[in-house]
Amino acid sequence: QKEVEQDPGPLSVPEGAIVSLNCTYSNSAFQYFMWYRQYSRKGPELLMYTYSSGNKEDGRFTAQVDKSSKYISLFIRDSQPSDSATYLCAMSRIPNSGGSNYKLTFGKGTLLTVNP
Amino acid sequence: DGGITQSPKYLFRKEGQNVTLSCEQNLNHDAMYWYRQDPGQGLRLIYYSQIVNDFQKGDIAEGYSVSREKKESFPLTVTSAQKNPTAFYLCASTPPGGGGRQPQHFGDGTRLSIL
Repeated sequence: QKEVEQDPGPLSVPEGAIVSLNCTYSNSAFQYFMWYRQYSRKGPELLMYTYSSGNKEDGRFTAQVDKSSKYISLFIRDSQPSDSATYLCAMSRIPNSGGSNYKLTFGKGTLLTVNP
Repeated sequence: DGGITQSPKYLFRKEGQNVTLSCEQNLNHDAMYWYRQDPGQGLRLIYYSQIVNDFQKGDIAEGYSVSREKKESFPLTVTSAQKNPTAFYLCASTPPGGGGRQPQHFGDGTRLSIL
């Protein structure tokens, strides 16, 4: 079983729809959870960053973490054509000792298209 | 503007040739990372560096080498030993005091292809 599973899509929705993107994971040591948006031929851009369980909202974006189910979600409200991109989930453990490095484990990404 | 600059945007490699990808950041970040992204796959860690003159292998370091002589710079060399180098290469960095508490920020990548 892969550490992080993400449905690659593609997912196609009409403008204004609510989009739900999800990842599941197997390692209970993951504590930090991130969602990145990646446009074609560009680097990933950080969208949401959460620690442990709970919800976090930023404008049209809401990130949810359910550690008991090992499941994270990103919701996009009132989706726009400019939201069309690949969405990557990523997560990390707390390092064993002090230091500024940590390893991110990524999902494979979900390709989203929002149609005008 | 502060950010991570990767160059060149596109790079072509001939058989048996070593090529070097540049990554520069002016964010005063301590840690820097190199990832490889292939179609349909997630990002895979090649090398990372926490401080100057120190770096560690990631999950797929074979055929690659790095150096960290300056805090701002973390170049990646793709050697001739890397038999399948065609991929999108991404450089990332982490603010000070990370320890997993700070997310990674990415450059816009270099696309490497075989001639």
